[in-house]
Order: sequence, then C-alpha cells, then structure tokens
Amino acid sequence: EPEVTQTPSHQVTQMGQEVILRCVPISNHLYFYWYRQILGQKVEFLVSFYNNEISEKSEIFDDQFSVERPDGSNFTLKIRSTKLEDSAMYFCASSEALANTEAFFGQGTRLTVV
Amino acid sequence: DAKTTQPNSMESNEEEPVHLPCNHSTISGTDYIHWYRQLPSQGPEYVIHGLTSNVNNRMASLAIAEDRKSSTLILHRATLRDAAVYYCILSVMDSNYQLIWGAGTKLIIKP
Repeated sequence: EPEVTQTPSHQVTQMGQEVILRCVPISNHLYFYWYRQILGQKVEFLVSFYNNEISEKSEIFDDQFSVERPDGSNFTLKIRSTKLEDSAMYFCASSEALANTEAFFGQGTRLTVV
Repeated sequence: DAKTTQPNSMESNEEEPVHLPCNHSTISGTDYIHWYRQLPSQGPEYVIHGLTSNVNNRMASLAIAEDRKSSTLILHRATLRDAAVYYCILSVMDSNYQLIWGAGTKLIIKP
C-alpha cells in the first residue's frame, strides 16, 4: 500500500538553528500538507500546497516557515530560526484531490528544540 | 475556533459496537464531515468521510443527522487495536477544504 514517508523520525536542534523536515508524498497525489501537534495537544494545520504554490496557510505559518517541492518527489518544511515553542510532532500529508477525499499522513518527525 | 464538539473520552468493551458522537452545529452546506484516528505514537489515519448521506466502509459507518448538525461514527465490533483518539473534523469549503481539527475523543477499549 502506498504511504507517505517522513525523515528524520526525530530531530534535535539548538534554538536559532535552521531545520528542514522532509516528506515524500504518495506519487500520484497533487495536494500536500504540513500539520503539527504539540505534545498532548490537538493537531494544527500549518500549510497546504498545490501546483507549486501555497494554497492555504494558518496563523502559525509565519515568515519563519517555508515549504518547497524541490523535485518531483520531495516536499519540505523549513523553519529558519527555531524557537523552543517549535518543539512538536510535524506531520506531512498528501491527497489526490482537495475535497471529498482522504488525506494520507506520514508517521511524523519529532522536532525537539533545546 | 474548533468547529466540532466531542466527548473527551469514552470506554467500550471489546467486541461490542461503539458509537462516537460529534456535534457540528455551525456546519455549512458544502462542508464535509471527516473522521480520522490517531493510534499512540502514530500519524493520523483516515477512517471515513461524508457530506449528507450515511456512509459505510470496511473500517466503520458514519451516520449523519438530517440537519447535519451532528454525526456519529460507528465501530461495529471494537477490538483492542481500535484504542485511539478519534477526531471528528470539518473540511471547510471557505478555507479551501482545510481540515479543522478538534480535540478528539480518546477511546478506551476494555478486554
């Protein structure tokens, strides 16, 4: 069964450093997403991406965040200067269509900022 | 800005049906109702979704009230592997069908 893969599974970084979280969406999917989940809290939407541009973003997704699809398979989330409060699980997801469809999630990257 | 309301937790016995309720009184006519679940230490997993009519798939059934202000996820025969947090989520047309997550219901299955 096709799946969304994320690397690394766990990333520890120093405050102020840049991190790049990587995702390989399902190959025939057109819509890509990043979510985050702070420990013990609900899942929060960060950004959606379609046709090589951002289609929606939340208030959390400020200028410190960026997304890119550098080639035909990878989808990345960059945090330019990490803060302690960026510590969370980050989930990538992809879907075939925008509405009336299911999203497939990766297993997540646990980001710890120290 | 959660658009759905669910009980914080529910308990059920193994091999019995489970009915997980969700209220979404502010739903609009074009918003889809999705259910996802999250097993411990895993990413969210799609369960089912619908718009107006009841839906069935191999995992569960979704019963949608006639006024669409509430819905119920039905697991027909719960197993220990169904213990998870179940999220009732609206996919909102005005936000490009972004999934608006609530706090979810933690389902505990007793052997």
